[in-house]
Amino acid sequence: AQTVTQSQPEMSVQEAETVTLSCTYDTSESDYYLFWYKQPPSRQMILVIRQEAYKQQNATENRFSVNFQKAAKSFSLKISDSQLGDAAMYFCAYRSALGGNQFYFGTGTSLTVIP
Amino acid sequence: KAGVTQTPRYLIKTRGQQVTLSCSPISGHRSVSWYQQTPGQGLQFLFEYFSETQRNKGNFPGRFSGRQFSNSRSEMNVSTLELGDSALYLCASSLGHTQETQYFGPGTRLLVL
Repeated sequence: AQTVTQSQPEMSVQEAETVTLSCTYDTSESDYYLFWYKQPPSRQMILVIRQEAYKQQNATENRFSVNFQKAAKSFSLKISDSQLGDAAMYFCAYRSALGGNQFYFGTGTSLTVIP
Repeated sequence: KAGVTQTPRYLIKTRGQQVTLSCSPISGHRSVSWYQQTPGQGLQFLFEYFSETQRNKGNFPGRFSGRQFSNSRSEMNVSTLELGDSALYLCASSLGHTQETQYFGPGTRLLVL
């Protein structure tokens, strides 16, 4: 089974600064999808960004961008101009492209934004 | 469009009882997946339903079961509840079995006493 590792249980960032959350994964597959989800204290999981493994270009969504290193099996999330509303638990997730909606999640990184 | 809805939001049961949780996907979505979230084990995949058929199943005992109706709504059942079943149960929907993005509901918080 695929495994997803988030080695930073907690991170903090000053408001308006930039922070990078790390994620590594282990797979023998060549085609897959990677995601970052955000789970605020209200518990609703929200999709932040996704990346297709066959695309070399890193995905970007407004202040959120990823650094996808396929060979290194690394998928980090960069949050620019951090805002108080970015405070949440962030989960990295993997999904095989072979079909089926079974996601493998990391253990999460709790992000605190300091005013 | 309305998002994924789950009912009830909170539930308290005692050991040995059974429980049924409900999930209504986003309109037009036909795939529903269930996850268990606990502080110790994190997010673990339970199963996925698509077109009323179970397509994938995680590593959970047979006490955990589910079904999907023709309108894509899904239910999850846990029989003979154990203390360790206390968790947040999340439902996620996607357009289809091969559509890669899942959208999550708010979850059902189950407490087993």
